[in-house]
Amino acid sequence: KQEVTQIPAALSVPEGENLVLNCSFTDSAIYNLQWFRQDPGKGLTSLLLIQSSQREQTSGRLNASLDKSSGRSTLYIAASQPGDSATYLCAVEGNRDDKIIFGKGTRLHILP
Amino acid sequence: EAQVTQNPRYLITVTGKKLTVTCSQNMNHEYMSWYRQDPGLGLRQIYYSMNVEVTDKGDVPEGYKVSRKEKRNFPLILESPSPNQTSLYFCASSRGASNQPQHFGDGTRLSIL
Repeated sequence: KQEVTQIPAALSVPEGENLVLNCSFTDSAIYNLQWFRQDPGKGLTSLLLIQSSQREQTSGRLNASLDKSSGRSTLYIAASQPGDSATYLCAVEGNRDDKIIFGKGTRLHILP
Repeated sequence: EAQVTQNPRYLITVTGKKLTVTCSQNMNHEYMSWYRQDPGLGLRQIYYSMNVEVTDKGDVPEGYKVSRKEKRNFPLILESPSPNQTSLYFCASSRGASNQPQHFGDGTRLSIL
């Protein structure tokens, strides 16, 4: 059964720093991995989707990488800003059953 | 505006009283899904649908029903709600089954007393 783990559960960094969030998964039979952002009391916003055949995706200050064979993905945030404070979730879609499994998220706090 | 709309946004009800949470999307998406989000457990998929009249169980389907009679709508039905179904529920949709980003609704907070 697919399991998705995100470490750390919470992270505080000063504004302006670059940071990396980690996501690992146990079953490499995936269609894709997606990173989301969730603000308190809100729904999820898709940030980046990496297909299983891809190694990375970039959007603005965000870069997500995928190493399917080792079951790992990272989300790199450059030059962090207080507005980046949110919970970041990763999710994988299995290619055996189309189920989507989420990690429990990393709560990020950018200190002004 | 492209969106996924859930109703109601908040509901407090009692054990055993049937309820339906509606979900509608205006993007002509094939794939729709329901999740629940609980502290310490994260988001868990309840049911998903690849297209009209096609539904499949996610990780936590017990106590829930869904239907997909039309492409735009994917209601979540709790026939006999229990307190352990108190949670924050999200509906999501995407174009096609795979490799397309999911769009989420704003959530429905259900409290079952």
